[in-house]
Amino acid sequence: DTAVSQTPKYLVTQMGNDKSIKCEQNLGHDTMYWYKQDSKKFLKIMFSYNNKELIINETVPNRFSPKSPDKAHLNLHINSLELGDSAVYFCASSQDVNTEAFFGQGTRLTVV
Amino acid sequence: GEDVEQSLFLSVREGDSSVINCTYTDSSSTYLYWYKQEPGAGLQLLTYIFSNMDMKQDQRHTVLLNKKDKHLSLRIADTQTGDSAIYFCAEKGIHDMRFGAGTRLTVKP
Repeated sequence: DTAVSQTPKYLVTQMGNDKSIKCEQNLGHDTMYWYKQDSKKFLKIMFSYNNKELIINETVPNRFSPKSPDKAHLNLHINSLELGDSAVYFCASSQDVNTEAFFGQGTRLTVV
Repeated sequence: GEDVEQSLFLSVREGDSSVINCTYTDSSSTYLYWYKQEPGAGLQLLTYIFSNMDMKQDQRHTVLLNKKDKHLSLRIADTQTGDSAIYFCAEKGIHDMRFGAGTRLTVKP
């Protein structure tokens, strides 16, 4: 079983659309994250949730809204998609804020 | 500096040792990590070191930590073509992890 799974793996959509990326972890971890990896492979944290509560919200446009229905899920909803949103988005989880993170396979978002 | 820094490219011959270097930012980071990303794949935790250690060896991987200089290195012995990937250095902050830009390791036969 995959520890951290994201869906979809690929997402191609037009500018202005609204889309969601789902993430689930079956590790029993308390903390989940969303990272954005741009075309230069830089990884930047976007959000961090601990026990369903938001603990980090980096300077991300408010078009991005994370939703954590329970500890095992952290979904990313994006409104009014822009060309610059094209990137690979990684979900991750860790036991707590002090331990290593396990990553999903990434979702490659292409906005056309 | 404010960023975790790594050199972007490294090319070695199969069978040689590879050394990937990283400079991190926060001397209070408790854990430092190396992640491997193969083409089109997610990030795989390769190894990590606790900040009170100087060295950790795990099969072909050796991590060296110099806390004074905030320098971390990953040595891969007997590098194989399957080791070709991007290697990310990361440090654990209070609530998040900070990553370097990744070093693209190319292993030539």
